[in-house]
Amino acid sequence: EVQLVESGGGLIQPGGSLRLSCAASGFTVRSNYMTWLRQAPGKGLEWVSIIYSGGNTYYADSVKGRFTISRDSSKNTLYLQMNSLRAEDTAVYYCTKGGNWFDSWGQGTLVTVSS
Amino acid sequence: EVLMTQSPATLSVSPGERATLSCRASQSVSINLAWYQQKPGQAPRLLIFGASTRATGIPARFSGDGSETEFTLTISSLQSEDFAVYYCQQYNNWFTFGPGTKVDIK
Repeated sequence: EVQLVESGGGLIQPGGSLRLSCAASGFTVRSNYMTWLRQAPGKGLEWVSIIYSGGNTYYADSVKGRFTISRDSSKNTLYLQMNSLRAEDTAVYYCTKGGNWFDSWGQGTLVTVSS
Repeated sequence: EVLMTQSPATLSVSPGERATLSCRASQSVSINLAWYQQKPGQAPRLLIFGASTRATGIPARFSGDGSETEFTLTISSLQSEDFAVYYCQQYNNWFTFGPGTKVDIK
């Protein structure tokens, strides 16, 4: 059974950094496309970043230069390093499996950027 | 960027009735269109991909149709567990989501 469990969210001041983790089970992260999406409180869904099985990475313009997606094959875990955080980055961040449609989702982790 | 719009914003339906949700893309996305269901406090769940292919475990009362810029999601006979927010998402040119349609009880 595919399972994704995010962690690392919390309250952070503007300009700060956080690293989100997504522990995967039931499949191999390295062999799949993996994506981070986010949802601001009461709002819709927004694509953040993707890492392809070959290792190529891409970012939404809103986070480019500030966020970095990566993976650790030994831990079967996906990461999102978030730097220079802004109030508008406040959202539930979801780790998903997929690079076109997203067929498996974690429960999400809340990131709140506020002073 | 491909902009996605959905209508109506809210759809009030009685259990057992049919619900038809619309999604429009600002430019052609071929059939690279997915639908998701989200209930309060939960992550979205994939319903449909490729505009009309049901995901694993999705009941047959959910069906998708359309191509290019116009898409529909139909729930043939609403069950109590179907009251939720529904999002469409294009994956023809990166990834963008519609604002959602809330299906609530009439």
